[in-house]
Amino acid sequence: GENVEQHPSTLSVQEGDSAVIKCTYSDSASNYFPWYKQELGKRPQLIIDIRSNVGEKKDQRIAVTLNKTAKHFSLHITETQPEDSAVYFCAASVSSNTGKLIFGQGTTLQVKP
Amino acid sequence: DTAVSQTPKYLVTQMGNDKSIKCEQNLGHDTMYWYKQDSKKFLKIMFSYNNKELIINETVPNRFSPKSPDKAHLNLHINSLELGDSAVYFCASSQEGRGALYFGPGTRLTVL
Repeated sequence: GENVEQHPSTLSVQEGDSAVIKCTYSDSASNYFPWYKQELGKRPQLIIDIRSNVGEKKDQRIAVTLNKTAKHFSLHITETQPEDSAVYFCAASVSSNTGKLIFGQGTTLQVKP
Repeated sequence: DTAVSQTPKYLVTQMGNDKSIKCEQNLGHDTMYWYKQDSKKFLKIMFSYNNKELIINETVPNRFSPKSPDKAHLNLHINSLELGDSAVYFCASSQEGRGALYFGPGTRLTVL
């Protein structure tokens, strides 16, 4: 069935270090992979997304890579700052083209000053 | 000028009661969703409407009934509330049912 596995569930880094969160999806027809950041008590907000015809996308300190063959995609945050502390969710579209997204379990990132 | 709004933000009620949550988006999107976020932060889709037509109906108890009066509004009515219904409910919208989801601020439902 449709499934997205996300690792790690928690990640603690020092300010200035890099953070990497990895996801694996099961539906080979998935073609859209967004990443969301959710601060405590707030709504999930889109931070970056990638479509299946692209292998990598970068926006300032964040980047996403996609390996369609292995059905893996990853979020990379460089030069982390305390305000990057939040829960991060990956997601993958499903083949029904209804806009349905399957979310990963979330990664709680803590950036220590 | 809020893009996706929900009311109420907090809802505390007794078991067995019936309650509704309202959602509105002013982004001009044609697809709207209800997601449930449980205590472990897991986000799970419940329903989706495209131009007032129900297109996603996940395995959700029939005590939950969505209604979309027009493509800018999606409401959720819950009958006979149970303790396990306690969660944060997020409304979201997207264009053409593809691409980025824009979430509302969430409604924290607590059933006592």
